[in-house]
Formats: sequence, C-alpha cells, structure tokens
Amino acid sequence: SQQGEEDPQALSIQEGENATMNCSYKTSINNLQWYRQNSGRGLVHLILIRSNEREKHSGRLRVTLDTSKKSSSLLITASRAADTASYFCATDATGNQFYFGTGTSLTVIP
Amino acid sequence: DAGITQSPRHKVTETGTPVTLRCHQTENHRYMYWYRQDPGHGLRLIHYSYGVKDTDKGEVSDGYSVSRSKTEDFLLTLESATSSQTSVYFCAISLNVANYGYTFGSGTRLTVV
Repeated sequence: SQQGEEDPQALSIQEGENATMNCSYKTSINNLQWYRQNSGRGLVHLILIRSNEREKHSGRLRVTLDTSKKSSSLLITASRAADTASYFCATDATGNQFYFGTGTSLTVIP
Repeated sequence: DAGITQSPRHKVTETGTPVTLRCHQTENHRYMYWYRQDPGHGLRLIHYSYGVKDTDKGEVSDGYSVSRSKTEDFLLTLESATSSQTSVYFCAISLNVANYGYTFGSGTRLTVV
C-alpha cells in the first residue's frame, strides 16, 4: 500500500497543551497534506506542504516535512476542546490522487 | 460542505441489489474522487475522474463502477451490493491536486444487509 501511517493512533491531552502527530510514507511524493475529520463529518483540508518545503505554518498549525526520512509532523499549539477530531495525512505518489493514512484520533480535555 | 453535495446521506439496501450514489459539485473542478472509509483502513480510493467521461480505477475498485457525463456529477454504482461494501462513502473534488487539497462531501453511510 502507498498510504501514509500516522502515529500515534490516539492522543489525549489537556486543553492548552501542544499536540504533535506524525506521518510516515513509503514512496517519493510531490506534496503532502493534512486533514481534520470531526466525528460524523467529511474531511477538511488543513495544510499542503510541497516536497521542496521543510516547514509551513497556518494559524496554530505547524507542519514539517523531512523527505529524507519520508516523514511529516503536524503540531497544534495551545490546543482547544474544538480541536478534538481525527487527523489524517495524505500523500500524492502518483500525482492525480492522494493516499490517506488511518489517522490519529486527538482528544483535547477541557 | 460548500459546493459539493452527496446523496443520499444514508441508505440501507439488500445484498444483491444495485445501488447508485451521487456526487454533485458547483465548483466546476476538474477532478472528482470516490473514497470509502472503514475502521482500521482509513480512506481508500475507489475511482476517480479527471474530466467528463475520463475515469480511472483506485486501489479498491472491484465491485464498483463510475460515470461522469457532466462536469458537475460523478456517480458511483455498486452493481450488486455485498455486505463487505457496507461503509461510509466520501466524494471529493479538486481544482488541481498539485497545488490544492481536496474538498470533501459530507459522506453517504451505506449499509448492506
């Protein structure tokens, strides 16, 4: 399978703490994306990072990409209860389609 | 989700019956996708389309067919539903996958009994 794998599978933190989740993938990519999925809803695009980029920020989100290790991380700073969701990475090994991992389930405790 | 709707939202059907799920977009995006989401498997690509009448298979295409006769509509058909096709189905659209992410629909929960 070409899909990425997120780690950890589940993460529980207190409100205000930072949350870090990781994604590893198997083949060379053009870009990598992170998505959030609230329970019972569709996925929402968070951020896209290209293979020639090492870090991107969007609000409280920080994504890093290390193509030599075939890995990416998503950091959510100062977490809120509303950040409780599943987070998925997606990679585009073939260009026109993305492969998704199985996700990290994040619980932020108020 | 703005610009993309899936119908129906929920469906229960019997084994062996044909089922068609519809994805409709108002964004005029070129690319459309059907994924299924199952516990422990994440999202897996079933079929995708890169233009009217242009479609290709994904990693779990067996038992599914698609059609795209208009830019705005992408239909997923289960020719003869089986219990293993019980899942949540998501449609997604993209303007350009090199530079933009997907926009997902709200999903269709299909139960095959």
